[in-house]
Amino acid sequence: AQKITQTQPGMFVQEKEAVTLDCTYDTSDQSYGLFWYKQPSSGEMIFLIYQGSYDEQNATEGRYSLNFQKARKSANLVISASQLGDSAMYFCAMREGGNNFNKFYFGSGTKLNVKP
Amino acid sequence: GAGVSQSPRYKVAKRGQDVALRCDPISGHVSLFWYQQALGQGPEFLTYFQNEAQLDKSGLPSDRFFAERPEGSVSTLKIQRTQQEDSAVYLCASSWARGRLPPEKLFFGSGTQLSVL
Repeated sequence: AQKITQTQPGMFVQEKEAVTLDCTYDTSDQSYGLFWYKQPSSGEMIFLIYQGSYDEQNATEGRYSLNFQKARKSANLVISASQLGDSAMYFCAMREGGNNFNKFYFGSGTKLNVKP
Repeated sequence: GAGVSQSPRYKVAKRGQDVALRCDPISGHVSLFWYQQALGQGPEFLTYFQNEAQLDKSGLPSDRFFAERPEGSVSTLKIQRTQQEDSAVYLCASSWARGRLPPEKLFFGSGTQLSVL
């Protein structure tokens, strides 16, 4: 089974609007971390936001927030007030706390296009 | 340097050629990871080092792939007798953490794009 599932290969959003990128995950660990990374055309993976499995509040980092629904095993990324520079690939990732702690599992990504 | 540095940025190899990809992690980072990213896909784990010790190489696709980090800083990923299916972006990442919890974020380099003709 896939550890991380991103069902939206591509998304369009109008500049200044909000957009939600979906992510569901699969783990039997109680302790794990969920991450979102942005990958612009330059190739570097840029860390955006982190949510720990024991965190009771949804993580926020500036215009990024993570809608964490533990029972549904979803960790959607919300980008508010989209900017043209937000156009990129977005990857959801998970790191488990058990014996696989050294592995990050990535989804297949969502390509976001911000329209002027 | 301030970030993870990888070289070369692009590498074109003829099938059967050996290649070596270099990663210079953030100074002081204990953990170093190699990932392979095929076109249009997310990165997939190859191998993990804690200092100079290679603790997990379960993701290396074949014995043609070899990674080392002899002094616990710079790492080299070597691919022998390259095949077309090796064409991908190879990403290196590092983190300071040696422990398991809390899950620590990774800092990535820009990758080496390998094309095997």
